[in-house]
Amino acid sequence: DVKVTQSSRYLVKRTGEKVFLECVQDMDHENMFWYRQDPGLGLRLIYFSYDVKMKEKGDIPEGYSVSREKKERFSLILESASTNQTSMYLCASSDYLLDEQYFGPGTRLTVT
Amino acid sequence: RKEVEQDPGPFNVPEGATVAFNCTYSNSASQSFFWYRQDCRKEPKLLMSVYSSGNEDGRFTAQLNRASQYISLLIRDSKLSDSATYLCVVNGRGDTGRRALTFGSGTRLQVQP
Repeated sequence: DVKVTQSSRYLVKRTGEKVFLECVQDMDHENMFWYRQDPGLGLRLIYFSYDVKMKEKGDIPEGYSVSREKKERFSLILESASTNQTSMYLCASSDYLLDEQYFGPGTRLTVT
Repeated sequence: RKEVEQDPGPFNVPEGATVAFNCTYSNSASQSFFWYRQDCRKEPKLLMSVYSSGNEDGRFTAQLNRASQYISLLIRDSKLSDSATYLCVVNGRGDTGRRALTFGSGTRLQVQP
């Protein structure tokens, strides 16, 4: 069974802190994604990666960076957290040849 | 204009009813289409892919109209457990050639006893 896990379900951080969100998938998928989901705005793509050490910006990359050192792990980094980054963060993965994405349970981040 | 547009609802229907959701997309180069289901405070989960010829999975039927850039989902004999938000999804980044998807904001369905 497909499995995507995220390091935390809930996280509370202070403004200005550096925040790491980690995602691990066990399906040997090449593609991995980070989204944020906000009420009324749906899922918005932050970054994605189609191979180890490769990344591409999504729709809203500002204020975020990513790291993919191993195929199964994709990290999202908030360099200096701000209150407008309070959101639900969802990680997903997909096979190189297929578009279906499988999601982790999400991390609800609150920045105070 | 949003890349993927859906009526946010909510659609309130009685158990046993048939309900249909529609979705339009703007990128004529899109090749893959899906419906995802998202329960409250949970992650989206793939409900079904949408094929050009239309496809059915039990009580769920999905259809695609490429000419009108329109996707639909029909749910027959609604169950209480169908209550969720349904997300229309297309692959919207044909210019990069990468497997990234664009999600609609979702249509909320509430099935009532």
